[in-house]
Amino acid sequence: GQQVMQIPQYQHVQEGEDFTTYCNSSTTLSNIQWYKQRPGGHPVFLIQLVKSGEVKKQKRLTFQFGEAKKNSSLHITATQTTDVGTYFCAGPTISGGYNKLIFGAGTRLAVHP
Amino acid sequence: GAVVSQHPSWVICKSGTSVKIECRSLDFQATTMFWYRQFPKQSLMLMATSNEGSKATYEQGVEKDKFLINHASLTLSTLTVTSAHPEDSSFYICSARRGGPNEKLFFGSGTQLSVL
Repeated sequence: GQQVMQIPQYQHVQEGEDFTTYCNSSTTLSNIQWYKQRPGGHPVFLIQLVKSGEVKKQKRLTFQFGEAKKNSSLHITATQTTDVGTYFCAGPTISGGYNKLIFGAGTRLAVHP
Repeated sequence: GAVVSQHPSWVICKSGTSVKIECRSLDFQATTMFWYRQFPKQSLMLMATSNEGSKATYEQGVEKDKFLINHASLTLSTLTVTSAHPEDSSFYICSARRGGPNEKLFFGSGTQLSVL
């Protein structure tokens, strides 16, 4: 079945350093979504990428969708303590007649002040 | 923005009892709701997909008689953990989608279940 792989599993950085998480799908995706889960919280939607090669920015966050629509990345510039949390990518799949999202394992980001 | 309410936030129960968790979309009609299980510091494991008025579709390895899902209306889905055992202790989280298959998900705040 379709798999969504995400690396690294965990990264800790000093405040002000940059951070990148990578996502790879075993199949071509119609779109990819990114979510953030703060410690003790629930996932919150960040962004959706649809087009091949698409790049979107949200302040210090830059999201990219690969040309082949099988990989994606999230880059945070100059991390802050508020960036702490787990970042998940998710790709859609159809299984059993239902459309659902397959989540990557997530990258847990720790930021040291 | 769209809000999904999940209740209770946490529950402690004795082994052998059943626990019901509710998931409500407060300001939109959810075409589909999803139930996930999450272990500490791990990813979201999809348990089942729920559509209003039809039977839930369970993922491989998820016992449908153990985890009963009812999607009574476009705004309410419930998950009942029947005859709970300590190994069922986990963080259960629901999400709702209000449109087509490429729409984003709105998550509930989750339920921490502890079975003694």
